[in-house]
Amino acid sequence: EADIYQTPRYLVIGTGKKITLECSQTMGHDKMYWYQQDPGMELHLIHYSYGVNSTEKGDLSSESTVSRIRTEHFPLTLESARPSHTSQYLCASSPRQGPGELFFGEGSRLTVL
Amino acid sequence: GQQLNQSPQSMFIQEGEDVSMNCTSSSIFNTWLWYKQDPGEGPVLLIALYKAGELTSNGRLTAQFGITRKDSFLNISASIPSDVGIYFCAGRYNDYKLSFGAGTTVTVRA
Repeated sequence: EADIYQTPRYLVIGTGKKITLECSQTMGHDKMYWYQQDPGMELHLIHYSYGVNSTEKGDLSSESTVSRIRTEHFPLTLESARPSHTSQYLCASSPRQGPGELFFGEGSRLTVL
Repeated sequence: GQQLNQSPQSMFIQEGEDVSMNCTSSSIFNTWLWYKQDPGEGPVLLIALYKAGELTSNGRLTAQFGITRKDSFLNISASIPSDVGIYFCAGRYNDYKLSFGAGTTVTVRA
């Protein structure tokens, strides 16, 4: 069973604030991902990492940044939040080998006022 | 990412009915995955398909990987109320990335 945790689950903040969404997994997976999902819509890849000190931009352009200093931790940061950043952010991981199945966290729902 | 067309966009089910949804693309994928997402939660993997033509079951769920590698379908037999949610197809097109369909929302018919 997958063990991947996201905090906070819900966050309401004002415009201009800096926020960090945390994601941790206990499975030792090399690959980690951040997806953005608007209500009722598909998931869009915004960042991914295939190991420590590697990060790449995804298919959807995002003003957020990520870091991968430890295998188990993949935080996402917004330096100055805006209402357009309001969305659900989903973190996922997958092992280096294998068919590429993604295991998702429960998501962080961000609302920027 | 690669474009996936998932249909239907939504459906209403009555308990006991069989339901079916599918995903098509103009691109070839080497893995097809089906996920279910409940409100306020992350997607949970239901079925993974690795070879063209493969037919796989997981309880009341059955999914197939199309021969052309450009499509997949998911069937739910004898639906129950807890089957409601959003079902997403996803295709893997390289070592790191999946493309997702827009989802099929399944609701219980009153």
